[in-house]
Amino acid sequence: NAGVTQTPKFRILKIGQSMTLQCTQDMNHNYMYWYRQDPGMGLKLIYYSVGAGITDKGEVPNGYNVSRSTTEDFPLRLELAAPSQTSVYFCASTLYPGNTIYFGEGSWLTVV
Amino acid sequence: AQSVTQLGSHVSVSEGALVLLRCNYSSSVPPYLFWYVQYPNQGLQLLLKYTTGATLVKGINGFEAEFKKSETSFHLTKPSAHMSDAAEYFCAVSDLGVVRSGSNYKLTFGKGTLLTVNP
Repeated sequence: NAGVTQTPKFRILKIGQSMTLQCTQDMNHNYMYWYRQDPGMGLKLIYYSVGAGITDKGEVPNGYNVSRSTTEDFPLRLELAAPSQTSVYFCASTLYPGNTIYFGEGSWLTVV
Repeated sequence: AQSVTQLGSHVSVSEGALVLLRCNYSSSVPPYLFWYVQYPNQGLQLLLKYTTGATLVKGINGFEAEFKKSETSFHLTKPSAHMSDAAEYFCAVSDLGVVRSGSNYKLTFGKGTLLTVNP
């Protein structure tokens, strides 16, 4: 079973560049999330979506954008990359509230 | 607003010893509570969760946690640690009160506790 798939796994960006982290799930989940993980800080919610066409900001949305044109896909866009965006990014999804939230394997991003 | 506090960023135990990882939460409504485990360079995997019903919850790999409303706690325990338990553990909370159709259901995570197991 594929579950939640993120690409790329590793990426180095230069300051000011833009890129998109891809996330797709094959479980027909309505709820999808993007988190970033920094050492000693746990996971912080960037953006989330409760269904196709619906997105909303989390705790740390600045510098990021998302879209949800289909149930399966939830890409995260970084515009004008900054060193502060160096982090590990996790995409996650769940079918309905209270159910298990499934995580992708993470995307390691370095901005230099 | 909901929040999670994990007491101790690093816990070290000997193999075969009791594992106790502490988690306290803040929520204005009955919460959903979760423990996730993260092995190096991997994503998060659900260990166990509490939504409703029995307050003692059993999870995978011999872990269990007890929801104590009066103490706003959800501590994770395992009677006997194995070397393979070495990982980072995250407690998470979600407000049951906002769980409804079309709601913004999401998890708030603690900062994590790194568990090391010594031979």
